[in-house]
Amino acid sequence: EVQLVESGGGLVQPGGSLRLSCAASGFTFNTYDMHWVRQAPGKGLEWVSAIGTAADTYYLGSVKGRFTISRENAKNSMYLQMNSLRAGDTAVYYCARVSTGYYFYMDVWGKGTTVTVSS
Amino acid sequence: SSELTQDPAVSVALGQTVKITCQGDSLRNYYASWYQQKPGQAPILVIYGKNNRPSGIPDRFSGSRSGNTASLTITGAQAEDEADYYCNSRDTNGNPVVFGGGTKLTVL
Repeated sequence: EVQLVESGGGLVQPGGSLRLSCAASGFTFNTYDMHWVRQAPGKGLEWVSAIGTAADTYYLGSVKGRFTISRENAKNSMYLQMNSLRAGDTAVYYCARVSTGYYFYMDVWGKGTTVTVSS
Repeated sequence: SSELTQDPAVSVALGQTVKITCQGDSLRNYYASWYQQKPGQAPILVIYGKNNRPSGIPDRFSGSRSGNTASLTITGAQAEDEADYYCNSRDTNGNPVVFGGGTKLTVL
């Protein structure tokens, strides 16, 4: 079964750090681009970051310099290191797999992990 | 960066047809994909590309594009279709990916 499972969320004070993980199974992880998408409470989906198969990385402007995306293909895992966290980073964070074909779409999503930034 | 604009809320009578739209400059170059999200659940892909449905998505869901507007049509809406719907696409202006703000679909 193709599956993504996020972990690492929690409650953190403003200025603190968290490392999110996304464990993949059921597919050849190293052949897919992977993304993080977040959803603040009561709000819509917001793209956060992406990492390509060549480990090329991309970031939402508001997280650039604070968040670092990485992948470890040997462990079928992707990570999001989040530093200098702000209240505005409070959200459910989803990892998502992106199709390898001509069209762009996120065909597999994890259930999400919740990050709460509060004092 | 570019934006994708969706109507915040749409309603449809049970069994009728509803069209949910997504407007943005990126859609002139890229097809939208559409996601359904029910409360407390992760999004699921319902339409991608020109008009493609993943396995398991009912054929009452369809997609189309005209100019800078993508549309998701549900023909014969069912009670279980009540959900939030989001479009997204690649973008070449700023962030590489953009999402619409979402449309809350109510089935009456």
